[in-house]
Amino acid sequence: AQSVAQPEDQVNVAEGNPLTVKCTYSVSGNPYLFWYVQYPNRGLQFLLKYITGDNLVKGSYGFEAEFNKSQTSFHLKKPSALVSDSALYFCAVRDEAAGNKLTFGGGTRVLVKP
Amino acid sequence: ETGVTQSPTHLIKTRGQQVTLRCSSQSGHNTVSWYQQALGQGPQFIFQYYREEENGRGNFPPRFSGLQFPNYSSELNVNALELDDSALYLCASSFIQGRETQYFGPGTRLLVL
Repeated sequence: AQSVAQPEDQVNVAEGNPLTVKCTYSVSGNPYLFWYVQYPNRGLQFLLKYITGDNLVKGSYGFEAEFNKSQTSFHLKKPSALVSDSALYFCAVRDEAAGNKLTFGGGTRVLVKP
Repeated sequence: ETGVTQSPTHLIKTRGQQVTLRCSSQSGHNTVSWYQQALGQGPQFIFQYYREEENGRGNFPPRFSGLQFPNYSSELNVNALELDDSALYLCASSFIQGRETQYFGPGTRLLVL
């Protein structure tokens, strides 16, 4: 069975500082990994994905994520956080061997303070 | 914003009633997936539809059912509503291939009293 863990319920960071949101996963086959962001009372907005290739993936709004197979991690990063980055972030995994189902982590709330 | 739309935006029902939620997929997408997001939790996979047939199902009882239409739009039906069915219901559209991104609609917030 596939699973995702986001160990931090909330991350607080000052505007302009680096932002990291952690994600680890477990799958039996090759993982397809995704990050989504959710603003209040909204659906999920796609940020980036890792399918294959370069371990560093660049996405929307200056976000990037690094795939680490040995540590089964896919941490989301942004070099300089903005107040507008305050939102709920979800990591998700799809196991190539288990069909098209996306399994999500519990989410990490990011609060960027001015 | 994605091209995925959902209706209605909000809905209030009472326990035991039935509800139908609707989703229009993004242009060119042939697959629709439905997720339930309870308050404070990540989305949980309900099922997926491809070519008008169910193509995978999560751990949800049979009273959760769905349809996909020839234009790839979809419905989620929930019978015999329970209080725990209160949640945000999200629809996502994509191509069937596993590498493709699922794009989500804004969701329907269902409250069961």
